Amino acid sequence: KQEVTQIPAALSVPEGENLVLNCSFTDSAIYNLQWFRQDPGKGLTSLLLIQSSQREQTSGRLNASLDKSSGRSTLYIAASQPGDSATYLCAVRGSSNTGKLIFGQGTTLQVKP
Amino acid sequence: DVKVTQSSRYLVKRTGEKVFLECVQDMDHENMFWYRQDPGLGLRLIYFSYDVKMKEKGDIPEGYSVSREKKERFSLILESASTNQTSMYLCASTRDYSNQPQHFGDGTRLSIL
Repeated sequence: KQEVTQIPAALSVPEGENLVLNCSFTDSAIYNLQWFRQDPGKGLTSLLLIQSSQREQTSGRLNASLDKSSGRSTLYIAASQPGDSATYLCAVRGSSNTGKLIFGQGTTLQVKP
Repeated sequence: DVKVTQSSRYLVKRTGEKVFLECVQDMDHENMFWYRQDPGLGLRLIYFSYDVKMKEKGDIPEGYSVSREKKERFSLILESASTNQTSMYLCASTRDYSNQPQHFGDGTRLSIL
């Protein structure tokens, strides 16, 4: 059974720092891996999706990497800003159809001005 | 722009009531999902549907049922609401056989008194 773990559960950094969020999964047979952002009391917003054949994806100050063989993904945030404060969740999709996702518990990030 | 719309942001119901949560997507997606999110437990899949009138149980289906009469609409039904069903409910959709992200609604905060 696929399990997804995110470490740390919470992170507080000063504005301007570069930071890395970690995600690990137990079964390397994945279709893709997705990173989401969730603001308090809101739904999830998709940030990046990495296909199983890819190693990384970039969007602005965000870069996500994927190492299937070791069951790891990282989300790198460059030059963090207070507006980046949110909970970040990673999720793996195991099969090509249905689209079911297995989520990690999330990392809650606080960026202090 | 893609859109998943949940009918209510906040809902208060009484124990024993039959509760309907509605979700509509405008992207012609085959797959739709209902999750609940609780502190410390993360996102848990209740039910999903991979086609009209087709459904499958997720991880925590007890006390819930679903209906998908039209492709764009997926309803979650609490047959007889109980206080332990107080939670944040999130609807999502995605396309079959594609590397497209899962899109989420804004969520419904449901309180059962």
